[in-house]
Formats: sequence, structure tokens, C-alpha cells
Amino acid sequence: QQQVKQSPQSLIVQKGGISIINCAYENTAFDYFPWYQQFPGKGPALLIAIRPDVSEKKEGRFTISFNKSAKQFSLHIMDSQPGDSATYFCAAGDSGGGADGLTFGKGTHLIIQP
Amino acid sequence: DTEVTQTPKHLVMGMTNKKSLKCEQHMGHRAMYWYKQKAKKPPELMFVYSYEKLSINESVPSRFSPECPNSSLLNLHLHALQPEDSALYLCASSQEREKLFFGSGTQLSVL
Repeated sequence: QQQVKQSPQSLIVQKGGISIINCAYENTAFDYFPWYQQFPGKGPALLIAIRPDVSEKKEGRFTISFNKSAKQFSLHIMDSQPGDSATYFCAAGDSGGGADGLTFGKGTHLIIQP
Repeated sequence: DTEVTQTPKHLVMGMTNKKSLKCEQHMGHRAMYWYKQKAKKPPELMFVYSYEKLSINESVPSRFSPECPNSSLLNLHLHALQPEDSALYLCASSQEREKLFFGSGTQLSVL
């Protein structure tokens, strides 16, 4: 599978701060970029997603920024809260002729300190 | 109903046991998936069923055997597993090929 590179591996942010997680991809056929949030012992839950026709998407405190030319996208969590502490996975999918499913980044373990 | 339901939530089995994991979705999704996830790692794709037919098998050992009895159900039959197979097994479904909805998973321990 084509890679999706995610950084940082772990991140500690103070309550109220901005959490930023970055991802880069290689396969130009990817046209769907979701972010998943996973709590311990639970399955990943879709948080927010973007397609390449827009450069930014915002849902509440969560924003995806997308740079098609650089093949990079990032997740910003504004006013980070302790309840946001979780593992975050970026992913990429191909809605065209590619295989079903998603290619995942390696994950970022986010801790929000009170 | 936007849920993918997996049972059991936890399973402990010996290396000679036969067990099955079950997954159910009632969203009318056309594709169902099995993923394996080790601690602190991303999910790894195992199998994909599209319209009840196996479309992807990611070179998974034969001790894992998937089954899709109908469009709402997906099973994973386990036999003669190894301790390194201990992991969280996730079921997912999708209507559009890239929008996956995951269940909570079965935490499997092989002794």
C-alpha cells in the first residue's frame, strides 16, 4: 500500500491550546482524507474528512487544512480539552479505481494536560 | 442506526481452540472489512467483502477464515491461533469505498 506519513508520534498540549498533527501522502490517486479518533479499547471513530477540492474544512473545534500541491494535510484542534486526549490517525482513500478501504498513518498519541 | 456491532468484546482462547468473531451492521452498506490492530499501531487490513463476495485478502494466514453469510453479517473464524495473533480485531463497513465506520472491536488474547 502507498504510505501516509504522520507526525508527531506523540504530542502534549496544555488545556486551551492548539493541537496540530500533520500528514503527508504519496499517491496522487488519493481523493479522500479522513481523520479518526480512537480511545483505548474502542474502535476508531470518524472525526472529520476532506476532499481535495477544498483547502480547509472546519467542524466545531476541529479543522483540516489541505495542501494539494505539497500533498500534505493537517488536523488542528482549537481550545484543546482533556477529553480530546486520544490517538489520532490520518488516512487516505481512493474513491476511483483503487481498492476498498483506507491507508492509515501510524497515529499520534495526544495528551491534553489540565 | 449508524452502528457496527461486534461480539464478543473480549475473547481469551488457547492455541488449540476454535472460536468465531461476529460483526453486524444495519446501515445497508455494501462493503464490510476485517482489520487487525496491535497496541499503539494503526489498523491493518485483513479482508474486504464487497456485495458479500471476498474482494481482498491481504495474505492473511489460513488460521483466519472470513465468512459473509449475508449483507449485514460478517464472521471471522479462528483456529489454531498463535500468541502473536493477540490484538484488537475491528470490523468496519462502508457504502462509499473510503468512508469506513468501525465497530468497537474484539480484544483477543491467545494463550
